[in-house]
Amino acid sequence: SQQGEEDPQALSIQEGENATMNCSYKTSINNLQWYRQNSGRGLVHLILIRSNEREKHSGRLRVTLDTSKKSSSLLITASRAADTASYFCATDNYGQNFVFGPGTRLSVLP
Amino acid sequence: NAGVTQTPKFRVLKTGQSMTLLCAQDMNHEYMYWYRQDPGMGLRLIHYSVGEGTTAKGEVPDGYNVSRLKKQNFLLGLESAAPSQTSVYFCASTLLGALAGGPGEQFFGPGTRLTVL
Repeated sequence: SQQGEEDPQALSIQEGENATMNCSYKTSINNLQWYRQNSGRGLVHLILIRSNEREKHSGRLRVTLDTSKKSSSLLITASRAADTASYFCATDNYGQNFVFGPGTRLSVLP
Repeated sequence: NAGVTQTPKFRVLKTGQSMTLLCAQDMNHEYMYWYRQDPGMGLRLIHYSVGEGTTAKGEVPDGYNVSRLKKQNFLLGLESAAPSQTSVYFCASTLLGALAGGPGEQFFGPGTRLTVL
């Protein structure tokens, strides 16, 4: 079964608005990562947050992690049409590999 | 650096045929992974390798075999292709895994779109 589950499955917003996506997981983790996938392309790493961190920023991205609720959120501020993509969370439970959720499809309308 | 490359980009097979997908990375990464991605689903791990000469099963290994004879290459083989193996296949690599204290950031190849008729 998949460790991470993103919510919502799909999100449509206007350019300039903020987009928030959530990820829930089931077991204790070492770290959680967010990836972006443009249509027809491979995944690109966005940000990694460790289990002892609560918030992390990278440019227009803000990731939070709540280990007590086993959840994470990805906020994209001032969205652009180029942010249109699928976003995946991946969890590492101290193992040698990662488990990806089904993803959130974000559409940013000009 | 080319990063992670995959060949071929597209392939159509008939049921029962065999093929090998090649993944190559030039970043001197220890860990390499093969995933499949089906519509509406995330990536599912097929096999992975924590170093040259070692391989391990992932979540969906049946029908696939892998080899890591050289550190930079990870091959995925389908011995007898089935329509259920129609998918997009992604290879990824990381410098080190979490158990080795690495950051675990994965670098992905562009994918191979495989259709089995």
